[in-house]
Amino acid sequence: GQQVMQIPQYQHVQEGEDFTTYCNSSTTLSNIQWYKQRPGGHPVFLIQLVKSGEVKKQKRLTFQFGEAKKNSSLHITATQTTDVGTYFCALLGPGNNRKLIWGLGTSLAVNP
Amino acid sequence: KAGVTQTPRYLIKTRGQQVTLSCSPISGHRSVSWYQQTPGQGLQFLFEYFSETQRNKGNFPGRFSGRQFSNSRSEMNVSTLELGDSALYLCASSATGAPTDTQYFGPGTRLTVL
Repeated sequence: GQQVMQIPQYQHVQEGEDFTTYCNSSTTLSNIQWYKQRPGGHPVFLIQLVKSGEVKKQKRLTFQFGEAKKNSSLHITATQTTDVGTYFCALLGPGNNRKLIWGLGTSLAVNP
Repeated sequence: KAGVTQTPRYLIKTRGQQVTLSCSPISGHRSVSWYQQTPGQGLQFLFEYFSETQRNKGNFPGRFSGRQFSNSRSEMNVSTLELGDSALYLCASSATGAPTDTQYFGPGTRLTVL
């Protein structure tokens, strides 16, 4: 079955440093979604990527979909303490599979 | 629009008991999905309901069941609770139920089984 690996599992950075989390799939994807969950909160939708090689930006966040549509990355430039939380990718495989497959998430801690 | 609401927010039960959790989706949303979240296991999909029909199901035992009402509100039931059922249970609603839809999550119900 479809598998998703999200790395790293944890990342601890100094405020102002950059951060990247990667999401890798064993199969070609039709789309990928990214969510953020603050400590004690619930997942909140950030973005959806559907096109091969697609790059989308939200202020300091840059999202990229791999050319082969098997991986994606989320890059945060100059982290702030407000970026603390767990970042999840959710994958949708091709065909008739209607279920989102969730990565285990990358937990980001930011030292002020 | 009001967001997704879940009740109760916290629940403490003992082994062997059963529990019912409730989820009210965003007005107009017809799809409700349920997830179990535990440390180290991430979000585990339980099931999805659309127009009162279960459309997808995850790999959970039959002790976990759900239903959806005509107003799209959904309930999840867990019978014969086990210690391992302690988790945050999240529901998410989406507009059309298409897997490409954005999922809007509720605050969750924190279940503790003693």
